[in-house]
Amino acid sequence: DAMVIQNPRYQVTQFGKPVTLSCSQTLNHNVMYWYQQKSSQAPKLLFHYYDKDFNNEADTPDNFQSRRPNTSFCFLDIRSPGLGDAAMYLCATSFGTVQETQYFGPGTRLLVL
Amino acid sequence: GENVEQHPSTLSVQEGDSAVIKCTYSDSASNYFPWYKQELGKGPQLIIDIRSNVGEKKDQRIAVTLNKTAKHFSLHITETQPEDSAVYFCAASKADSSYKLIFGSGTRLLVRP
Repeated sequence: DAMVIQNPRYQVTQFGKPVTLSCSQTLNHNVMYWYQQKSSQAPKLLFHYYDKDFNNEADTPDNFQSRRPNTSFCFLDIRSPGLGDAAMYLCATSFGTVQETQYFGPGTRLLVL
Repeated sequence: GENVEQHPSTLSVQEGDSAVIKCTYSDSASNYFPWYKQELGKGPQLIIDIRSNVGEKKDQRIAVTLNKTAKHFSLHITETQPEDSAVYFCAASKADSSYKLIFGSGTRLLVRP
């Protein structure tokens, strides 16, 4: 089945130690998004790629970076995780951006020790 | 900017009863309104959406209504079942920045057997 896959599902890292989360999709969608979701809150958009064009949200900390080496894969890099970065990280895809349905992956729960 | 308010934050119903969740948006230019269901430990899944040229949409036990004049939209679930228990998020987007979904704060629905 076509889907959005996130690995790992759970990630434990140490304070200040760089960590990378990955997302892949078999939907052949043009757009890939990264969201941060903290407990009992709505998802918060960090950035998105339309093909190779990167679009950062204004309030996304510099600590968060992203790479999209090809259509199928997108990575979220957290350069120096702090305790406040512990959250669920959700990847989503859509075919285009004009009122297109966004399909979410299962998420990666990040724990920072 | 756009703001979406969602009520109630928690809702408990008896199995078989109906559940209604309401959202209000602030930007009259918003024209796409999806609803997502998020089960514990999983990513949000689209359950139904509506565009501003339609007043109501149904899919089996789920329906969404939109009142553009009042700027609010509602999710209706009939004949609720225990598997409907989850957190539900409404969202809104508009054509000029339609990649961006503005989410409501979520409603935790509990269906009691």
